[in-house]
Amino acid sequence: DAGITQSPRHKVTETGTPVTLRCHQTENHRYMYWYRQDPGHGLRLIHYSYGVKDTDKGEVSDGYSVSRSKTEDFLLTLESATSSQTSVYFCAISRTGGSYEQYFGPGTRLTVT
Amino acid sequence: AQSVTQLDSHVSVSEGTPVLLRCNYSSSYSPSLFWYVQHPNKGLQLLLKYTSAATLVKGINGFEAEFKKSETSFHLTKPSAHMSDAAEYFCVVSEDSGNEKLTFGTGTRLTIIP
Repeated sequence: DAGITQSPRHKVTETGTPVTLRCHQTENHRYMYWYRQDPGHGLRLIHYSYGVKDTDKGEVSDGYSVSRSKTEDFLLTLESATSSQTSVYFCAISRTGGSYEQYFGPGTRLTVT
Repeated sequence: AQSVTQLDSHVSVSEGTPVLLRCNYSSSYSPSLFWYVQHPNKGLQLLLKYTSAATLVKGINGFEAEFKKSETSFHLTKPSAHMSDAAEYFCVVSEDSGNEKLTFGTGTRLTIIP
């Protein structure tokens, strides 16, 4: 398995509170991604990073921000959590973009009450 | 723009019978195509990938998929289903345009009947 960990694995939080999810890799891969998985939608890209301090938006980026200060860590922040952000969040890494496969972390289940 | 359509949200087969999971794609460029599998409460695992080499791609656990450009399809097959194949399967497309993004289908849940 690719060396990807996510923390926390489960979290329950209240509407309006900030939340930060962490993705950590030991593979030294350049690209890192955050997805959310919801029933009937598959996985949808939130943000991705193509290097330290280099990030870009995905298709569902509203309400989320990211930071990457080190190659191995990619943080996803919900500035003010809403119930619509209840989801399972997956981090993925890739040696490069496009045709190279992505390797996924175990996921974080977030519930916003 | 790229997109992918998984034609069945749920497929049920008996153990030992063939599996067919259908996927059509749309892409403005030469696509790379993937199948991922997700077992309950797990992350996603790569089954196989097509990247413009051989059109028939073999993956792990006896799965294979055939890229058919004329039909814009990339269906996943397995000759004989096993109970451990019960999972959700995602067809994924990536354009060879410098775009680093993958686009996922909505998934097909495969149930194996004993």
